Parts: sequence; structure tokens; C-alpha cells
Amino acid sequence: DAGITQSPRHKVTETGTPVTLRCHQTENHRYMYWYRQDPGHGLRLIHYSYGVKDTDKGEVSDGYSVSRSKTEDFLLTLESATSSQTSVYFCAITERGSSGNTIYFGEGSWLTVV
Amino acid sequence: RKEVEQDPGPFNVPEGATVAFNCTYSNSASQSFFWYRQDCRKEPKLLMSVYSSGNEDGRFTAQLNRASQYISLLIRDSKLSDSATYLCVVNLTPSGSARQLTFGSGTQLTVLP
Repeated sequence: DAGITQSPRHKVTETGTPVTLRCHQTENHRYMYWYRQDPGHGLRLIHYSYGVKDTDKGEVSDGYSVSRSKTEDFLLTLESATSSQTSVYFCAITERGSSGNTIYFGEGSWLTVV
Repeated sequence: RKEVEQDPGPFNVPEGATVAFNCTYSNSASQSFFWYRQDCRKEPKLLMSVYSSGNEDGRFTAQLNRASQYISLLIRDSKLSDSATYLCVVNLTPSGSARQLTFGSGTQLTVLP
């Protein structure tokens, strides 16, 4: 258990509305990540953070923004949700181990845009 | 060609069988390799890291073949509880930065009674 909680866990929203997903961690991890997972694509990195107010884009960042004002919280915002953003979103942290950086995931947030 | 490729399956095997999955990767400079397990509608969870010399954890054996650029996962004496999707994860860069992790799409395993 990496001490990650995501909220909301499930959400249905309408096209064009803003949506914010929250990731909260309790173990003072520096690096945090947002991924989306879709059939046939595997997990794809949306944005990541390497510290408070330090964020950068991942592979599929278009249509998403993030913020990290505190170490423990990493927010993912869909400014104007589209049907293509229907997906399951995983927050993650990394821990340094003998095999390099190992990634651990939160339980996921299922988002449906109708 | 995808950077990390897995046979999606599904693999349907009887209880007690031995099953093996392969995962190929594109960058010969890749440094870190992992197998994750993902149950339906759950998050991926680390199953095991893959070391250069190969490693074993109970019924699970992971191997790395750098020359042919693939990793493998062998499951012996399959249990019903092994039914899941197995994800191959590769860090494609020598730096080992986690933001360079690339995930396979997963191989679905169903163990039948």
C-alpha cells in the first residue's frame, strides 16, 4: 500500500463541463503521476510532478492540466470534458528500489463523459 | 512497431498448468523491467522486478533476454487466483527515470477449474 487515495472513484459528467480528479498521498513522495488506461493502449502518462508547483507534460497531455500546491495533493483537471476523455485514470507515485524506480498506483478513478 | 509489445491473449489454461508470457521491447538501452498484475477494475500491482540473471518468486519466474530484447514471465502450477491481466513495464531509457516507463497493453490469463 503506497498510501494513495483518489477521488472521486466514479464520475459521470456531461461534455463541455470541467472535471477535477484528486490524488492524495500520505508518505511524502516527491514524484507523482497521472495516467489514463484505455483498451489496446496500455497506461499512458498524462502529466507528472517532481515537486510542489513543479509539473511537466506527459505523452497525452492535450486537454488536461494539473496542479500541485502541496506535496500530498496532485490534481488533474479536464477543462472541458470530451467523450474521448472517458477512461480510467490512475494516480501513481514512485519509490527508489534495487531495480530502479518502481511505480505504485492508486485505485483509479472511472470517468464517463456523456 | 510499439515500444513494448505483448500478446494480448486471452490465455485460457487449466488449473495446474504452466503458462508463459513474453514481452518485447524496442530500445536496447532499456535498463529496468517489471511485471505487474491487474485484476478486473483494479489498479496494476507490482508482481516482480526482472533482473538480468533472472529471478524467481514462488511459482513465478521472470527472465530477461537482452540479445533478443524480450522479458518473460513463467507461472507454474496455475491457480484460479492467478486469473488476471499481466502487464509488462519497461523503462526505455538508461536514466531510469520513472517518467520514461512504458507499459504493454497486457496479456489476459484465465485459469479454468
